[in-house]
Amino acid sequence: GAGVSQSPSNKVTEKGKDVELRCDPISGHTALYWYRQRLGQGLEFLIYFQGNSAPDKSGLPSDRFSAERTGESVSTLTIQRTQQEDSAVYLCASSLAPQEQYFGPGTRLTVT
Amino acid sequence: GEDVEQSLFLSVREGDSSVINCTYTDSSSTYLYWYKQEPGAGLQLLTYIFSNMDMKQDQRLTVLLNKKDKHLSLRIADTQTGDSAIYFCAEKKTSYDKVIFGPGTSLSVIP
Repeated sequence: GAGVSQSPSNKVTEKGKDVELRCDPISGHTALYWYRQRLGQGLEFLIYFQGNSAPDKSGLPSDRFSAERTGESVSTLTIQRTQQEDSAVYLCASSLAPQEQYFGPGTRLTVT
Repeated sequence: GEDVEQSLFLSVREGDSSVINCTYTDSSSTYLYWYKQEPGAGLQLLTYIFSNMDMKQDQRLTVLLNKKDKHLSLRIADTQTGDSAIYFCAEKKTSYDKVIFGPGTSLSVIP
């Protein structure tokens, strides 16, 4: 079946605008994660959804960041009033078994 | 705390063994992972180990876990130029916890 998909693959936006990033997990995967990867750096955890439990939002860097997930399907990550430091690749991953995460290709966000 | 540390760079000659090291701080971590990220590509799970194991071998890859020292290593035997990538160590406390990644080790293989 299809893997994790993300859209758009690239997004260029002006500082101050809002952006919405989408993640389509693998069908049936109960867990969904968002990470941020700045150029040349490691993965920074943002938010984690597990089934119907309350999401773990402990990694969201500010209140400009929010994410939603409808059931066990699509998730959207919203960044309001974007800043230049938000420029990064935003990675989504989903998993069913605790051992494995499957990553999407990422959305490269550039804030000008 | 939730910190995973790795050295940032490693350079080896083709055919030699590579050893990438990782330390983590959460002794209750149950799952420990190694991911590979090739240039311009997504992350790929290479292997994982449960905390009740000391070692796991999978073809050219050997994972060693020293739970007492909270130290994880990935050994790549007969390193090839195609192994050049960034290798991320990651930990997860329980089945329902988030996964925390280290900063990644950039492996360069010299022909």
